[in-house]
Amino acid sequence: AQSVTQLGSHVSVSEGALVLLRCNYSSSVPPYLFWYVQYPNQGLQLLLKYTSAATLVKGINGFEAEFKKSETSFHLTKPSAHMSDAAEYFCAVSRHYGGSQGNLIFGKGTKLSVKP
Amino acid sequence: DARVTQTPRHKVTEMGQEVTMRCQPILGHNTVFWYRQTMMQGLELLAYFRNRAPLDDSGMPKDRFSAEMPDATLATLKIQPSEPRDSAVYFCASGLGTDTVPSSYNSPLHFGNGTRLTVT
Repeated sequence: AQSVTQLGSHVSVSEGALVLLRCNYSSSVPPYLFWYVQYPNQGLQLLLKYTSAATLVKGINGFEAEFKKSETSFHLTKPSAHMSDAAEYFCAVSRHYGGSQGNLIFGKGTKLSVKP
Repeated sequence: DARVTQTPRHKVTEMGQEVTMRCQPILGHNTVFWYRQTMMQGLELLAYFRNRAPLDDSGMPKDRFSAEMPDATLATLKIQPSEPRDSAVYFCASGLGTDTVPSSYNSPLHFGNGTRLTVT
């Protein structure tokens, strides 16, 4: 069965510092992995996705993530944090591989705070 | 900019009352998901539809929850009777998918802003 674990429910960084949000997955089949961002009182928005092409995936707002099969990880990074990056970030894995069932299993989320 | 619309944004009701939440998916999207978000459990999938047909509702308490798509522009989630433990934010999401290419793979899921439900 597929699952994701996000290490750290809350991460705080200074503006301009590196952002690193950790995600480890468990999957019995080649996984499809996603990062979503949720701003207060809003729904989730897709940041980036890994679907077995390049292992380094670039997303919106300067974020990127690297798929490492040996470490079963898909950590999200951004070289320089901006105040507007403060939000909650969710890692997700597709529940089923192929077929008509592509719903997602989400991690518990990591709330990112950015200090001026 | 096309978006998923959910109504109401907030709902406060008393235990035992019926609650109906509505979702208007993005025009042309054929897959609709209902998720529930709580502090304790995070995001849980309740049900999802492809071309208005329910594909999976195993995450939904069957005795009190029901989900339907009366037409392609409307999805509903009903709770009857509601209980305090149903208090959560309920999200609807829509996407494009086929039988061989699930919606989350080739096109992003678009989420609504959610319905915050409080049952007292």
